[in-house]
Amino acid sequence: DIQMTQSPSSVSASVGDRVTVTCRASQVISSWLAWYQQKPGKAPKLLISAASNLQSGVPSRFSGSGSGTDFTLTISSLQPEDFATYYCQQANSFPLTFGGGTKVEIK
Amino acid sequence: EVQLVESGGGLIQPGGSLRLSCAASGFTVSSNYMSWVRQAPGKGLEWVSVIYSGGNTYYEDSVKGRFTISRDNSKNTLYLQMNSLRGEDTAVYYCARHVTGAYWFDPWGQGTLVTVSS
Repeated sequence: DIQMTQSPSSVSASVGDRVTVTCRASQVISSWLAWYQQKPGKAPKLLISAASNLQSGVPSRFSGSGSGTDFTLTISSLQPEDFATYYCQQANSFPLTFGGGTKVEIK
Repeated sequence: EVQLVESGGGLIQPGGSLRLSCAASGFTVSSNYMSWVRQAPGKGLEWVSVIYSGGNTYYEDSVKGRFTISRDNSKNTLYLQMNSLRGEDTAVYYCARHVTGAYWFDPWGQGTLVTVSS
């Protein structure tokens, strides 16, 4: 199985801050990576697919990069509605696996 | 509008069975890959099972032999039959559609809570 390791597990940030979340795969997954946002009590929402493709309707302050084993999700200027938990997911092979999550909290 | 609505969760004793349903609208379940993903209370996301448009199915190891994914094309509904339930199966269960040609999920249903406890 491919292990996905996210860091940090939590981050405290202020509105307007730049936030970076990293995700490392235990083996090469090319660009078969997605990022999701989950708010409390809600289902996850797909933000980015194929490592860097922003989904329709997702603000441009979100961006993704990386390939192979190392990936990054960046929020360029944190907004109040961005406080949530973010998960990466490898889509290279079954079983599909997720990172442990990064909770973005208000500082 | 593409939408998924789960139902069927509840409190069940260890060893019991439960069937979850996921009613789809705005698209055809049988033409898409569909999965179940679960999330234990306060924990991360765990993929459970997938059914391909062709009917092939795959399962996460811990549920293999206990859970069965299926669909009813006439009702445009996805199911998860869960047998021999254990405490560690306690979670919110989400159904999700795979984006065409890929294994990421969009959209997701709102989830249904399964609690396995005596």
